[in-house]
Amino acid sequence: DAKTTQPPSMDCAEGRAANLPCNHSTISGNEYVYWYRQIHSQGPQYIIHGLKNNETNEMASLIITEDRKSSTLILPHATLRDTAVYYCIVRVVVNGGSQGNLIFGKGTKLSVKP
Amino acid sequence: KAGVTQTPRYLIKTRGQQVTLSCSPISGHRSVSWYQQTPGQGLQFLFEYFSETQRNKGNFPGRFSGRQFSNSRSEMNVSTLELGDSALYLCASSLEPGRSLTSYEQYFGPGTRLTVT
Repeated sequence: DAKTTQPPSMDCAEGRAANLPCNHSTISGNEYVYWYRQIHSQGPQYIIHGLKNNETNEMASLIITEDRKSSTLILPHATLRDTAVYYCIVRVVVNGGSQGNLIFGKGTKLSVKP
Repeated sequence: KAGVTQTPRYLIKTRGQQVTLSCSPISGHRSVSWYQQTPGQGLQFLFEYFSETQRNKGNFPGRFSGRQFSNSRSEMNVSTLELGDSALYLCASSLEPGRSLTSYEQYFGPGTRLTVT
C-alpha cells in the first residue's frame, strides 16, 4: 500500500502558485519523497525528490517539514498544461538495490483554470 | 536524448490470446520496470529488470512475465489474456544503481494501451 495521503483533487487559477500537500507520517529515516505527475493519457513524469532539505528545480519546489511527516510540492506559476494527477511517493534509495518498485497512491488531480 | 519508447502504442486482443509488449529504455539506462494502470487499481508495479535479471516482482499472476536483453531493451508477455488485463502498460527506465542518487529517477514511456475483448 502507498505510504502517503493526498487530497483527491485541487483547483488552482492560472498564473497562481499551486501548493500540493502530502502526508507521510510513517516515513522512515532512509526514505526519500518523490513527486511524479501524469498528464492525461501519458506516462508519469518525474518532477522532483528530496530527503529532508527543501529542493528546487526548473519545474517545482519541494518543501519537507522538519519532522519529515509531510511535504508540499509548489508549482510557482501554474499553467493550463500543469493540469494533471500529481503523485507523492516515498521510497528507499539504496546503492545497488532494487529501485523499480514505485508504489503509487491515488494522487491529487490538479485542475488549473483560466 | 530520445526518451523511453514503447511499441505498439495500441493493441486489441481477444480472451485467451497472448501478447508481447516492447520497451526501449533511454540510451545508457540499464534498469527497466513495468507497471500496469487501470481505472480501478491505479498504477501497479509488475516487475523490474537490470542486467537481464529480474530483480523485483509485484503481486501479479504467473501469466505476466518479462525479460531483458543485453542491450537493455525489455519485453513483457501476458499469456491467456483475460478481460481484466485491459490496461495501460507502462515501462520506465533508470540508470544503473551505484551512481548518484539522481540515477534513481524513473523515466516513463507513453505506454501501450491493451484492450482485451
